[in-house]
Amino acid sequence: GQNIDQPTEMTATEGAIVQINCTYQTSGFNGLFWYQQHAGEAPTFLSYNVLDGLEEKGRFSSFLSRSKGYSYLLLKELQMKDSASYLCAVSDSNYQLIWGAGTKLIIKP
Amino acid sequence: ETGVTQTPRHLVMGMTNKKSLKCEQHLGHNAMYWYKQSAKKPLELMFVYSLEERVENNSVPSRFSPECPNSSHLFLHLHTLQPEDSALYLCASSQEPGQGGQPQHFGDGTRLSIL
Repeated sequence: GQNIDQPTEMTATEGAIVQINCTYQTSGFNGLFWYQQHAGEAPTFLSYNVLDGLEEKGRFSSFLSRSKGYSYLLLKELQMKDSASYLCAVSDSNYQLIWGAGTKLIIKP
Repeated sequence: ETGVTQTPRHLVMGMTNKKSLKCEQHLGHNAMYWYKQSAKKPLELMFVYSLEERVENNSVPSRFSPECPNSSHLFLHLHTLQPEDSALYLCASSQEPGQGGQPQHFGDGTRLSIL
């Protein structure tokens, strides 16, 4: 079966760095997405990785290792507004998105 | 503002009611999606439409009936729902289905509660 695993909840301190991991087992791979979802709001696109390595976008970076079936989202200089759920999704061989259950990130002052 | 608008934002209905959820996208996309989001569970893909034709139906019960009259509008007609259908229903759109790297753009969802 297809499976995406990510931690249910993480806590970090304002100004610090946090890494949210995602491991996957899917039938085929056509890229991995990260989305941010604030409570009661729409998921919004953060990043897309299809090749191995690190993609940096401001305070957010996303890493992919296809051989290990592993990705992480790195958030630097955390701000209170970064408190949200972070969703990992893999595009499988049929280009269908397989979603993880999301990681709820709590930022403390 | 994501360019995808869903109405209503909240809906409470009895098991015998009939209601419809509406989604409209202003992004010029060709593909639209319905997802179900339950607490602490992954997003479940329900239906996919490409250029108003249904291309995916993930074994969704017939009490959920989608309609896509044009590439900008998507409806989900609800009838005789069960308490376990209470969830957040999300609509999304993308340029095309089946293209790697094309992100989906989501609406804020309809929070559905079945009494």
